[in-house]
Amino acid sequence: GAVVSQHPSWVICKSGTSVKIECRSLDFQATTMFWYRQFPKQSLMLMATSNEGSKATYEQGVEKDKFLINHASLTLSTLTVTSAHPEDSSFYICSARGGAGYGYTFGSGTRLTVV
Amino acid sequence: GENVEQHPSTLSVQEGDSAVIKCTYSDSASNYFPWYKQELGKRPQLIIDIRSNVGEKKDQRIAVTLNKTAKHFSLHITETQPEDSAVYFCAASNNAGNMLTFGGGTRLMVKP
Repeated sequence: GAVVSQHPSWVICKSGTSVKIECRSLDFQATTMFWYRQFPKQSLMLMATSNEGSKATYEQGVEKDKFLINHASLTLSTLTVTSAHPEDSSFYICSARGGAGYGYTFGSGTRLTVV
Repeated sequence: GENVEQHPSTLSVQEGDSAVIKCTYSDSASNYFPWYKQELGKRPQLIIDIRSNVGEKKDQRIAVTLNKTAKHFSLHITETQPEDSAVYFCAASNNAGNMLTFGGGTRLMVKP
């Protein structure tokens, strides 16, 4: 079945630094990657939708200059949290939708803690 | 855009009883409705899904029903077991490769 590999699984960083999260589709081409954020005991909230070779579409209230998304190939999408602050601490998870017959495949998630 | 409401937010049942979780959606164009089970710190796992051309789907102890007219769909778990304890999310999307919009989640606790 379709697999999305997400790295790192957890990261601790200092305030003001940047963190890059990668999602790779291992056995299918992910033309679209969705990035979600999940705070404790809350639902998954869509942050942005990235399409290979084009600019990401951000949801209302999500700062595109803070959450940089790059989808340079059909198998790799990255989310970079720039100048991270403690309030950015959350569980970030990607989801890809592949070709016909595939549903939505989730990465394993990244727990970001900003100290 | 789509708005998905999910109820209840928490549900406690005795082992062996049934559990029902309900969701409503707002966008009549939505035609794909998956249900996910998420354990703490892990990715959501698809447990069952239904498309708008079907009214009901069953997979062993799990079933989903869809009422397109009323724009609501429900998850039914029968003969619950302690390992069913988790957070369950409903979601909706249209089939044009659009994003999934999630409900708020239901924390299911199955007491042995």
